[in-house]
Amino acid sequence: RKEVEQDPGPFNVPEGATVAFNCTYSNSASQSFFWYRQDCRKEPKLLMSVYSSGNEDGRFTAQLNRASQYISLLIRDSKLSDSATYLCVVTQTHGGSYIPTFGRGTSLIVHP
Amino acid sequence: DADVTQTPRNRITKTGKRIMLECSQTKGHDRMYWYRQDPGLGLRLIYYSFDVKDINKGEISDGYSVSRQAQAKFSLSLESAIPNQTALYFCATSDDRREQYFGPGTRLTVT
Repeated sequence: RKEVEQDPGPFNVPEGATVAFNCTYSNSASQSFFWYRQDCRKEPKLLMSVYSSGNEDGRFTAQLNRASQYISLLIRDSKLSDSATYLCVVTQTHGGSYIPTFGRGTSLIVHP
Repeated sequence: DADVTQTPRNRITKTGKRIMLECSQTKGHDRMYWYRQDPGLGLRLIYYSFDVKDINKGEISDGYSVSRQAQAKFSLSLESAIPNQTALYFCATSDDRREQYFGPGTRLTVT
């Protein structure tokens, strides 16, 4: 079982829709949480960090639920340009250090 | 100029050849990472380094080696390439906040 799990999708939504992704992690000692965006054949880019209190950046809202060990990403008013793969990242202990572990990504397709 | 650069960007090589992928960064970060990405498998960590004297194996280090020549440079070597090492390879850096910054990737094909 992979340590960080995401629904691969694809999520196919019309412009203007609200869409939510979840990501679960298995290590309760995980420390830091992030969402990255990756366009086809490009490098991943940080979308937002996820804080315990939840955080919002424009149309994007990220939340952390430590008790249930999942993080979520909500995208409101979807744009065509939001089409991409969204990667969940959790830092977990490895040999005494915290290193990032990536989920396999959730594909989002926003259509006109 | 890009903060994290990788060379080469594309490479086709034959089975058994030695190949080196190079990564340089101007962000001043101590932490550097090498990942490979395969369709459906996501990003998997090969090696990571938290400073010049620190090298650690990641999830899938077999068949790979690395060298941290300086704070800014971290190279990945395939001593004897095999076809299942065909993948997209990313270098990344991070600071103490652990937010990562990726290079543009190297597309490697082993025939």
